[in-house]
Amino acid sequence: DTAVSQTPKYLVTQMGNDKSIKCEQNLGHDTMYWYKQDSKKFLKIMFSYNNKELIINETVPNRFSPKSPDKAHLNLHINSLELGDSAVYFCASSQDYRYQNTEAFFGQGTRLTVV
Amino acid sequence: AQSVAQPEDQVNVAEGNPLTVKCTYSVSGNPYLFWYVQYPNRGLQFLLKYITGDNLVKGSYGFEAEFNKSQTSFHLKKPSALVSDSALYFCAVRDGGGSYIPTFGRGTSLIVHP
Repeated sequence: DTAVSQTPKYLVTQMGNDKSIKCEQNLGHDTMYWYKQDSKKFLKIMFSYNNKELIINETVPNRFSPKSPDKAHLNLHINSLELGDSAVYFCASSQDYRYQNTEAFFGQGTRLTVV
Repeated sequence: AQSVAQPEDQVNVAEGNPLTVKCTYSVSGNPYLFWYVQYPNRGLQFLLKYITGDNLVKGSYGFEAEFNKSQTSFHLKKPSALVSDSALYFCAVRDGGGSYIPTFGRGTSLIVHP
């Protein structure tokens, strides 16, 4: 049983296209996250949702739009893809984010390549 | 504000030798500290965390970490390294003074040589 699963694992697309990455967790967690890992492996928070409500929105271009239909799902839609969007995107979940001692569980990542 | 530093991009160690991966942090309140490991083409996996109490925390795969408040450090250690420990290691911190989202370090690549 995969705790946090995201699809697709690999995504190759042309500049200007629109694409979505889906994420689901079966851990019963309240909080979900999207992280971006760049080519130097630096991990940066993009968004966080708690029970379908947006709680964190870092300085991410408006072309990125998260959607949480329920607390087990957090999808990421990206419009007008640019070369600089190429990265690995990780979904993660945790218990309620207000419990500061809780660790996160990560999906296996989606490697996005924009050509 | 919270921050975390991993001063070494890469650590090399021979199999069977002890290993240490360094992490220092800065917070305004009490620190909540975490170590994660990332194997190639995989997501991050939780190893261990320090919340309060005993300064020596034991985690998965034989790893442990020592919390040192005076040096604001949380170094990851293992008495005897395995080749299979080769991976990317991330330290993360949450500030008990109010931050809800952890800050991750830049990661340290651990290479264990046979």
